[in-house]
Amino acid sequence: AQKITQTQPGMFVQEKEAVTLDCTYDTSDPSYGLFWYKQPSSGEMIFLIYQGSYDQQNATEGRYSLNFQKARKSANLVISASQLGDSAMYFCAMREGKDNYGQNFVFGPGTRLSVLP
Amino acid sequence: SAVISQKPSRDICQRGTSLTIQCQVDSQVTMMFWYRQQPGQSLTLIATANQGSEATYESGFVIDKFPISRPNLTFSTLTVSNMSPEDSSIYLCSVEKAWEAFFGQGTRLTVV
Repeated sequence: AQKITQTQPGMFVQEKEAVTLDCTYDTSDPSYGLFWYKQPSSGEMIFLIYQGSYDQQNATEGRYSLNFQKARKSANLVISASQLGDSAMYFCAMREGKDNYGQNFVFGPGTRLSVLP
Repeated sequence: SAVISQKPSRDICQRGTSLTIQCQVDSQVTMMFWYRQQPGQSLTLIATANQGSEATYESGFVIDKFPISRPNLTFSTLTVSNMSPEDSSIYLCSVEKAWEAFFGQGTRLTVV
């Protein structure tokens, strides 16, 4: 079964508008972390934002915020005031087991965001 | 945080040849991780490299095809052996610090 689901293979947004990228996850581990990464066409993976399963408040980093709904197991990324440079692939990822060593990262299939001028 | 230098950034190789990708981290880390990202796909973990021991490979990946070295706590290499066009992918190395994954710039490999 997919552990990370991103149902939007592609999204378009007008420059300066806000956009929400969906992510749902599946885990039975009470301790986990949720991440969003941006991958521009150059191929590098750029960390955007992190949400821990025990965090009470939604994470925010500049124009990025994470809409964390634990009961629904969703962790949507909200990008406010989109910029042309935001055009990229966006991956939602989950790491289970805070005390485990080893990279138990699972990545979703990604959403390609295109920002229109 | 961690800064990872990965090279080459891209290469075009003939089928049947091998390519070695290098990854240098700016600090000591216990484990380093190698991922493959096939065109239009997400990241798939190839193997975990510990210093001083053999790498641990994920299902579907074997040491003969993807030999890995980890001579010290800041460096690792991944070799893609006997390449075929199906090996055309982005290969990324990664380390983990404070629960966050940091990635190298990636190696975009095209096999012709």
